[in-house]
Amino acid sequence: DAKTTQPTSMDCAEGRAANLPCNHSTISGNEYVYWYRQIHSQGPQYIIHGLKNNETNEMASLIITEDRKSSTLILPHATLRDTAVYYCIVITGNQFYFGTGTSLTVIP
Amino acid sequence: NAGVTQTPKFQVLKTGQSMTLQCAQDMNHNSMYWYRQDPGMGLRLIYYSASEGTTDKGEVPNGYNVSRLNKREFSLRLESAAPSQTSVYFCASRRYTGTGGIRGNQPQHFGDGTRLSIL
Repeated sequence: DAKTTQPTSMDCAEGRAANLPCNHSTISGNEYVYWYRQIHSQGPQYIIHGLKNNETNEMASLIITEDRKSSTLILPHATLRDTAVYYCIVITGNQFYFGTGTSLTVIP
Repeated sequence: NAGVTQTPKFQVLKTGQSMTLQCAQDMNHNSMYWYRQDPGMGLRLIYYSASEGTTDKGEVPNGYNVSRLNKREFSLRLESAAPSQTSVYFCASRRYTGTGGIRGNQPQHFGDGTRLSIL
């Protein structure tokens, strides 16, 4: 059963911020939100994760709403190399459920 | 530091043949995972091993067996391959303590995958 809902696809202009939304309305108090991306058919690449506070690292920022029912991954200055499928995952214990993700296309 | 290494990278089998996919990690992670990814779909968990000596079924375990050989290695075996098992297989590892907090919730690291075709 899917625990997250993401748009199927999105476009973003090169150099602009890419904002990828994710709904996780059934998240429980101790479940983390993780974001991964997959370029072509490579292994998924970890981006960022968080519990309730906003998080930032060298790749992206993660904004989690106060009620924790949704989050947004922000790529501040999208490049062509950011074209990929982005997965939002809510972790239950030690199992990750990937869903089908959002296919982001960065347009020159 | 190689991370997660999967062998082979490609394999073609005939229906009914058996084979073992190998996975090794050098990050001293306690948990290891096997996923499959079919075209246009996300990854689905086949089996995982929370720690050395334990294995558990994921979403799609039928037709597969696993062995956690030691802390580094986690293998996936297809005893009698079927065309429906044609897929890309990914292995992953992670440090997971189950104690909560950032230290107990580390991300998974993935290998480059094994592309398996069954004719």
